[in-house]
Amino acid sequence: EAAVTQSPRNKVAVTGGKVTLSCNQTNNHNNMYWYRQDTGHGLRLIHYSYGAGSTEKGDIPDGYKASRPSQENFSLILELATPSQTSVYFCASGQGGNSDYTFGSGTRLLVI
Amino acid sequence: AQRVTQVQPTGSSQWGEEVTLDCSYETSEYFYRIFWYRQLFSGEMVFLIYQPSFDTQNQRSGRYSVVFQKSFKSISLVISASQPEDSGTYFCALSEPRLGYKLTFGTGTSLLVDP
Repeated sequence: EAAVTQSPRNKVAVTGGKVTLSCNQTNNHNNMYWYRQDTGHGLRLIHYSYGAGSTEKGDIPDGYKASRPSQENFSLILELATPSQTSVYFCASGQGGNSDYTFGSGTRLLVI
Repeated sequence: AQRVTQVQPTGSSQWGEEVTLDCSYETSEYFYRIFWYRQLFSGEMVFLIYQPSFDTQNQRSGRYSVVFQKSFKSISLVISASQPEDSGTYFCALSEPRLGYKLTFGTGTSLLVDP
């Protein structure tokens, strides 16, 4: 069954440390997305990608980098984590057209 | 400025009742889609239904349907015969092809269906 898998599920990081969140999809979708979810804000787009080698800034990219080394994998990188980046992060894949979007189960990140 | 607005932060219903959740959006695109997702208490996002802008017919899928008012840039999700298992947070999201098909979400409506 096609799916989007995120790792880790939970992460505690130290302020100033580097954090990498990973996402793998088996849907063969071209597009992948990273969102963060905070109370009162819904899901907000951080970075997205049209395919291997491409990354685009979303609505709130500051403090984040992204990497798409292959069709299947899309990583979100926090080079210098801050407490304000404590959140739940969701990865999603989509193809446009008539397809829907598939979401991962989320990663809970706590930056202390 | 919020491009997708869900003005009802919470909602409730009794088992068997019909529930309507509202959403409004802003776009200058001709082609777009509006999606509805439900977030379970576990955090999992479940796809429910979507409405393409070019389709004048309101979409239906099982107990879910939408009321699409394109000229008002408004769409409502209707859940018929609501059940306690329908409890969760419902998100409306806008997808625009010209903007990379990225989903822009509303802030969600938290629904509780009493048994």
